[in-house]
Amino acid sequence: NAGVTQTPKFQVLKTGQSMTLQCAQDMNHEYMSWYRQDPGMGLRLIHYSVGAGITDQGEVPNGYNVSRSTTEDFPLRLLSAAPSQTSVYFCASRLRAGQVFGNTIYFGEGSWLTVV
Amino acid sequence: AQSVTQLGSHVSVSEGALVLLRCNYSSSVPPYLFWYVQYPNQGLQLLLKYTSAATLVKGINGFEAEFKKSETSFHLTKPSAHMSDAAEYFCAVSDLTADGLTFGKGTHLIIQP
Repeated sequence: NAGVTQTPKFQVLKTGQSMTLQCAQDMNHEYMSWYRQDPGMGLRLIHYSVGAGITDQGEVPNGYNVSRSTTEDFPLRLLSAAPSQTSVYFCASRLRAGQVFGNTIYFGEGSWLTVV
Repeated sequence: AQSVTQLGSHVSVSEGALVLLRCNYSSSVPPYLFWYVQYPNQGLQLLLKYTSAATLVKGINGFEAEFKKSETSFHLTKPSAHMSDAAEYFCAVSDLTADGLTFGKGTHLIIQP
């Protein structure tokens, strides 16, 4: 059981480049989300999805796009990278949407992104 | 909207001493509260969670936390610190109206030999 798998683990981008952070889970979880972690800021929710075909914005969605074509995958796209998007990105999933009670949230191991 | 305040971005204790990491929350509905630990270059791991079943919650690695509604607090404690406890700790709150977690800014726990 792989859990939540994120790729790549490390990436350096030039300003204006685009890229996609991949996230896959093999637990048949309905709910998936992306967070970014910045020093002294904790984790902030970027986008989330409550099921295939359904996505919504979190606290800091600007500059990011997501899609959920399958239950397993939830890629995060940076269309035109900016230095302000230098951060550590975490994908997370849980079994059911809207039911934090009794639903353990599983995190990926993180993707370190540097935009120069 | 919910919010979490973690007092102290860095906490330093001696090995064998009591660990106390403070977390205060704000929530408009009965909260669900969590503590996560993050070791260097790794993802977040759930330490424990409060879901209204019991006010004193025991977690992994000897940690526990007590929910105090009157103080809107959910402080994390461990009686005796170990070198392996050195990590970043995050308190988080969720509620029935949100589809996510609101995290505190984190507390870096340093263990002195």
